[in-house]
Amino acid sequence: DAKTTQPPSMDCAEGRAANLPCNHSTISGNEYVYWYRQIHSQGPQYIIHGLKNNETNEMASLIITEDRKSSTLILPHATLRDTAVYYCIVRLNFGNEKLTFGTGTRLTIIP
Amino acid sequence: AAGVIQSPRHLIKEKRETATLKCYPIPRHDTVYWYQQGPGQDPQFLISFYEKMQSDKGSIPDRFSAQQFSDYHSELNMSSLELGDSALYFCASSLEDGWTKNSYNEQFFGPGTRLTVL
Repeated sequence: DAKTTQPPSMDCAEGRAANLPCNHSTISGNEYVYWYRQIHSQGPQYIIHGLKNNETNEMASLIITEDRKSSTLILPHATLRDTAVYYCIVRLNFGNEKLTFGTGTRLTIIP
Repeated sequence: AAGVIQSPRHLIKEKRETATLKCYPIPRHDTVYWYQQGPGQDPQFLISFYEKMQSDKGSIPDRFSAQQFSDYHSELNMSSLELGDSALYFCASSLEDGWTKNSYNEQFFGPGTRLTVL
């Protein structure tokens, strides 16, 4: 799996959009970008994933650059409950594929 | 909706003892994964099973073994425990070939078992 690089920490004001960047310059053509988050000591939680098109669901939006070497996770209206470690993971999208967690970004939502 | 169940939630053992962690996947999920998260560290993949067969192996010590049973639950057996084995152990499950509400092959994580070795 390709390696990812994320800033170690970020702050965001409550109610504002949180934009979390991720670099994955060695991503291969058949690898997807996945985002998971881990709220303090809980099990990681799936957020969103994409291949090359921008994606949106009820939790977040994912913007992937045209060259696919980087992406941004957007939480449109951050709440205090969004405080967590966010992991950007590049992986193949076939059955049984493990998740390889990097260091992630610790996002703190400020009241 | 049913989630992944792990037991026990907390476990305290002495050095050189053995421990068994259990994982009950979401009904109809056929794949189980085990991850280890040490204090202040990120989760690390240990091992996975699909249809009762080992499907992938990560940095799992030889002192650890695991299996998946006919009802798809899985057990992680840990022997000769060391202080460094103190960690959160997460189990996740997925459906190998099927869509969930959000994603293809999404992994759903349990609440974890916190193992403390004294």
